[in-house]
Amino acid sequence: GQNIDQPTEMTATEGAIVQINCTYQTSGFNGLFWYQQHAGEAPTFLSYNVLDGLEEKGRFSSFLSRSKGYSYLLLKELQMKDSASYLCAVMDSNYQLIWGAGTKLIIKP
Amino acid sequence: DGGITQSPKYLFRKEGQNVTLSCEQNLNHDAMYWYRQDPGQGLRLIYYSQIVNDFQKGDIAEGYSVSREKKESFPLTVTSAQKNPTAFYLCATGNRQGRRKETQYFGPGTRLLVL
Repeated sequence: GQNIDQPTEMTATEGAIVQINCTYQTSGFNGLFWYQQHAGEAPTFLSYNVLDGLEEKGRFSSFLSRSKGYSYLLLKELQMKDSASYLCAVMDSNYQLIWGAGTKLIIKP
Repeated sequence: DGGITQSPKYLFRKEGQNVTLSCEQNLNHDAMYWYRQDPGQGLRLIYYSQIVNDFQKGDIAEGYSVSREKKESFPLTVTSAQKNPTAFYLCATGNRQGRRKETQYFGPGTRLLVL
C-alpha cells in the first residue's frame, strides 16, 4: 500500500530552526509537495521537489532524497505565525496526490 | 480577482437529507478535486475531474456525487447514503505545468455538520 509518515506534533521556540521530516512509500513518484495549513483554513502551497537536493525559498527550504524515500521541510527564524500544520504529499504514478496526516507545529515565545 | 470560492462556509445536514457544496474557480484550471479532511488523517480524495463533462471516483466516492458541466464549477452532493458526513470538505484546482507537475490550489473549505 501507499504510505506517507510525518510526526504528529512538534514544538519549537520563536527565532529558532525546526526540521519536519516526511518518509514515503508510494507506487511511483512524480514529485513531493509541502503545504501549510492554519487551523480551520485551507492548505496553501509551500514547495515542490522532484529532483534530489535542497530547494530554498526565503525562510523555508525543502529537501528530497528519492533513493531514501525521504524529505524534510526546514523552517528558519521561526515566527509565531508559523504555528500551523504542515502537510507532505507525494504525486504517484497515476498523478494522484497521496497525503500525509500532517505535522502540527507549535511555536512558543 | 482570481481564486477559488466555496459555499457555504458551514452547512448543517439533517438525517436522510442530500446537501450540495458549491465550488467555483476563475483560475482557468482544467482539473478540479474534492477532498475530505478528518482530524488526525490525511486528505482523502472523493472525486476529481480533468476536463468538462468527465469525472472520476477517488478513494472514498461512496455516498457522494459530482457534476462538471462547466469548467468553472464542480459541485459536490453529499447524499443520505453517506453515513458519516461530518468533516471539512476542500475543493482544489490543478495547474498543470509541463508533463509531470501539477500544483493544486485549495478553496477555503466547507465544514459539514450533521444535526
